[in-house]
Amino acid sequence: GAVVSQHPSWVICKSGTSVKIECRSLDFQATTMFWYRQFPKQSLMLMATSNEGSKATYEQGVEKDKFLINHASLTLSTLTVTSAHPEDSSFYICSAWGGNTEAFFGQGTRLTVV
Amino acid sequence: GQQVMQIPQYQHVQEGEDFTTYCNSSTTLSNIQWYKQRPGGHPVFLIQLVKSGEVKKQKRLTFQFGEAKKNSSLHITATQTTDVGTYFCAGSNTGKLIFGQGTTLQVKP
Repeated sequence: GAVVSQHPSWVICKSGTSVKIECRSLDFQATTMFWYRQFPKQSLMLMATSNEGSKATYEQGVEKDKFLINHASLTLSTLTVTSAHPEDSSFYICSAWGGNTEAFFGQGTRLTVV
Repeated sequence: GQQVMQIPQYQHVQEGEDFTTYCNSSTTLSNIQWYKQRPGGHPVFLIQLVKSGEVKKQKRLTFQFGEAKKNSSLHITATQTTDVGTYFCAGSNTGKLIFGQGTTLQVKP
């Protein structure tokens, strides 16, 4: 299947700093990318949907000013967690989707805020 | 908004027993997908169902899509220890892919 590369795979940052997570589709053009958050032993919770060249659509309860999403090209989307706090510690995972085909997931990023 | 409910949350079976997880959507879906996530890993695509009433098989796994395209099931026959993991359904509609809560399967050898 197609390859989606997510970087970094894990990151530890200090409270109050910002962290950027990159998601790249390596061998196909993803018009839509999804960002999910997963807490231990729970499902993937959709945070936002981003379409190339337009503003991301955030799910209810997700702060758009805290979780900045940029989808500047058909192969790259970024999620920036601004002014991170310990409660933002989680597993963040991106998914690249072509619309009516399967979604290809990145490897995920485990964020720990200390 | 669109919701996808999945039951049960956990299932422990003896190796060789069958296993089924069920998925229900609050809205009609254009398609439904199933994923498997091993502990510490990311979800891996298993299959996509598109047609009303569709049934697909992958070896010991049988996937069904309901006639109304609002529910789906995954059935594993004669489970093996390699089947351990969390199985997610994901419903597609209005340009979004919404995941169910997942069913975590434990298989006792």
